[in-house]
Amino acid sequence: GQSLEQPSEVTAVEGAIVQINCTYQTSGFYGLSWYQQHDGGAPTFLSYNALDGLEETGRFSSFLSRSDSYGYLLLQELQMKDSASYFCAVPGGGSYIPTFGRGTSLIVHP
Amino acid sequence: DTGVSQDPRHKITKRGQNVTFRCDPISEHNRLYWYRQTLGQGPEFLTYFQNEAQLEKSRLLSDRFSAERPKGSFSTLEIQRTEQGDSAMYLCASSLDVEQYFGPGTRLTVT
Repeated sequence: GQSLEQPSEVTAVEGAIVQINCTYQTSGFYGLSWYQQHDGGAPTFLSYNALDGLEETGRFSSFLSRSDSYGYLLLQELQMKDSASYFCAVPGGGSYIPTFGRGTSLIVHP
Repeated sequence: DTGVSQDPRHKITKRGQNVTFRCDPISEHNRLYWYRQTLGQGPEFLTYFQNEAQLEKSRLLSDRFSAERPKGSFSTLEIQRTEQGDSAMYLCASSLDVEQYFGPGTRLTVT
């Protein structure tokens, strides 16, 4: 089986930096993905880490440590529009079946 | 292409009735997924197609749930004899690789 743990809620102020952590337990591992979902909206893909290290995409960065079964999403220069739920996800075996975490609700205050 | 579409967007049904949802993926995507999402939870995997072949089905999926993807294009998800516990958002996603593109979902309410 597979499980992912992430905090249920994180709060921060506009302009700040926030880190959302994710730890996972999987029978096989093919990388860690991150998705964003606004209230009432569909999940949208943010990033994918197949290898250890940091991947940067604009204000968002994602980190993976396979030896620690751990990753995080880093959001910089927070904006009000970043208020959303963020999910980490792992693919399953070779059939690419992802398992999603329960999500972290990010609340950005002015 | 305008992305993944789902129909209907909302469905209210009485317990015991059958419902069918449709998903039209991005045309060049060979992989298609169905998920269920309830409030405060992440998407829960239901089933997966590669082209027209259904390769995986969640063990949580009862026999009341069935999905098809004829000709490897659109897909349908049918729920027979709906129960109140089936009330949820049903999401469809398509992909070529790891990055999945989600549709807007069908919100099912079973009364």
